[in-house]
Amino acid sequence: NAGVMQNPRHLVRRRGQEARLRCSPMKGHSHVYWYRQLPEEGLKFMVYLQKENIIDESGMPKERFSAEFPKEGPSILRIQQVVRGDSAAYFCASSKTSGRPAYEQYFGPGTRLTVT
Amino acid sequence: GQNIDQPTEMTATEGAIVQINCTYQTSGFNGLFWYQQHAGEAPTFLSYNVLDGLEEKGRFSSFLSRSKGYSYLLLKELQMKDSASYLCAVRAPVVIKAAGNKLTFGGGTRVLVKP
Repeated sequence: NAGVMQNPRHLVRRRGQEARLRCSPMKGHSHVYWYRQLPEEGLKFMVYLQKENIIDESGMPKERFSAEFPKEGPSILRIQQVVRGDSAAYFCASSKTSGRPAYEQYFGPGTRLTVT
Repeated sequence: GQNIDQPTEMTATEGAIVQINCTYQTSGFNGLFWYQQHAGEAPTFLSYNVLDGLEEKGRFSSFLSRSKGYSYLLLKELQMKDSASYLCAVRAPVVIKAAGNKLTFGGGTRVLVKP
């Protein structure tokens, strides 16, 4: 059973370009979460999605960032017009359903975004 | 709001015991998690507490006191491979639909195990 998959693992973008980060949840998981980790800091929640629905985007910056989880295909985190401050590790996690006992979130390996 | 505090760094000797404390002040609570994260890797699940008391799992144990907003992770018989960051995270109540299953993380505690 493959775990949470993210690609690319490393992404380099110049300022002003767009970054697209992909996440495929574990088989049987319908809930996806995106977290950002700045160097030497903890993980910060960004957005929580179910298929075709954004459930909670309270951690998303108001501009340039968007996320989707279409009916078919992976979840996408999109960052437009990247700036140096966007350089971070972006982790995706998935879980079976909300509520117990499916509380555990499994994390993917992360995408390390570097903005030059 | 959510506020989760844990020490930044701890050092211990191989074979010893280390206790990592976590205090939280949150607007709601539906469980506390501990994750292990090695440098450059994904966090991996260690433990989950939702009721008061101690949960033991091999060399690792986790304790929760909801009335005190306090948890600790106990690592026994430390091994060199235990050198990692340990993340405390609180889960929002699922009754608040918008909060869903969101986790709020502390800054992490970097544990260095020395020979």
